[in-house]
Amino acid sequence: AQSVTQLDSHVSVSEGTPVLLRCNYSSSYSPSLFWYVQHPNKGLQLLLKYTSAATLVKGINGFEAEFKKSETSFHLTKPSAHMSDAAEYFCVVKNYGNNRLAFGKGNQVVVIP
Amino acid sequence: GAVVSQHPSRVICKSGTSVKIECRSLDFQATTMFWYRQFPKQSLMLMATSNEGSKATYEQGVEKDKFLINHASLTLSTLTVTSAHPEDSSFYICSAPVAGGRSYEQYFGPGTRLTVT
Repeated sequence: AQSVTQLDSHVSVSEGTPVLLRCNYSSSYSPSLFWYVQHPNKGLQLLLKYTSAATLVKGINGFEAEFKKSETSFHLTKPSAHMSDAAEYFCVVKNYGNNRLAFGKGNQVVVIP
Repeated sequence: GAVVSQHPSRVICKSGTSVKIECRSLDFQATTMFWYRQFPKQSLMLMATSNEGSKATYEQGVEKDKFLINHASLTLSTLTVTSAHPEDSSFYICSAPVAGGRSYEQYFGPGTRLTVT
């Protein structure tokens, strides 16, 4: 079964500084990987996804993530944090062959002015 | 991109009553939809997979008789919380997958905040 590990449940960054959210996954097969963002009392919005194409994936709002099979990682980065980036971020894995998703516990990002 | 809606967005009900939550795919057909539950400051937990024209598949530990799922059409799935209790208060989110080859994505509804008093 697939699983996702997100450390650092709370992450504080200063506005204008880089954001790094770590994600490690466990999967039996070639996985698809996603990062979603959730603002308070809202649904989930897809930031970016990896589905076996380029290992460096660019998403919306300046976010990108790099798939590293040898490290089983899919860390999310952004060069410069904005106040609007304050939200909950989930790393998600899907195994090839079924539609079930496994969610990480999430990173609550706080942006300090 | 594809849009999934949920109704209602918020509902407050009394203990012992039943509440129905609707999940609709607005511009695509979904033979499968997923229902998740999210407790405050926690991740999403898959409750069940809703299958159009057949019975839902429930995750271990989820009571089938308490959380009734009906996938009546290719664009509508409903979750009914029967005989609700305060511990059922939560944020319920549905999603529907859109797939084409290796390209796959799940679109999530905006969620329904259920409060049982």
